[in-house]
Amino acid sequence: RKEVEQDPGPFNVPEGATVAFNCTYSNSASQSFFWYRQDCRKEPKLLMSVYSSGNEDGRFTAQLNRASQYISLLIRDSKLSDSATYLCVVSDRPGLVFGAGTILRVKS
Amino acid sequence: DARVTQTPRDKVTEMGQEVTMRCQPILGHNTVFWYRQTMMQGLELLAYFRNRAPLDDSGMPKDRFSAEMPDATLATLKIQPSEPRDSAVYFCASAFSGQPQHFGDGTRLSIL
Repeated sequence: RKEVEQDPGPFNVPEGATVAFNCTYSNSASQSFFWYRQDCRKEPKLLMSVYSSGNEDGRFTAQLNRASQYISLLIRDSKLSDSATYLCVVSDRPGLVFGAGTILRVKS
Repeated sequence: DARVTQTPRDKVTEMGQEVTMRCQPILGHNTVFWYRQTMMQGLELLAYFRNRAPLDDSGMPKDRFSAEMPDATLATLKIQPSEPRDSAVYFCASAFSGQPQHFGDGTRLSIL
């Protein structure tokens, strides 16, 4: 079983739609949680950190449920430029553990 | 905008050859990471350094891979001898003590 599990998708949504991604992690000692975004043939880029209280950055909302070991990302009012692979990331040490990623395709 | 710089960007070579990948971390960052990305395994941590000292290389095949930081501005990852299964994108990332990691553009390695 992988340490971080994500639905690979792809999620195909129209512009303006709201889309939600989930991931689960197996290491209860994980301390840090992130969503990264990776465009095709590019490096991963930090989208946002995830906190137990939940956090929002513009159209993006991330939530963490430590009891269920579950992380979510909500994207509202999807833009064409949101098309990418979204990587769920956890860590209990400096090195990061990545999920396989969820592919999002936003279409006009 | 400060960036992590990796060279070469692409490398194609024959199996058995030595491959050296280089990384210049962002100035002031004291932690450097090496990751490998393949279609099958996704992104995996190979090794990381803090203040140039190797802290964890448990993700790295020891028999053929080696990672070093000769100085604070250079990290290297070597494969000798290389094998086709080493074909992947190798990313270097740097951070300052617990802050978010910044990734380089990666080295796309193909071993024939």
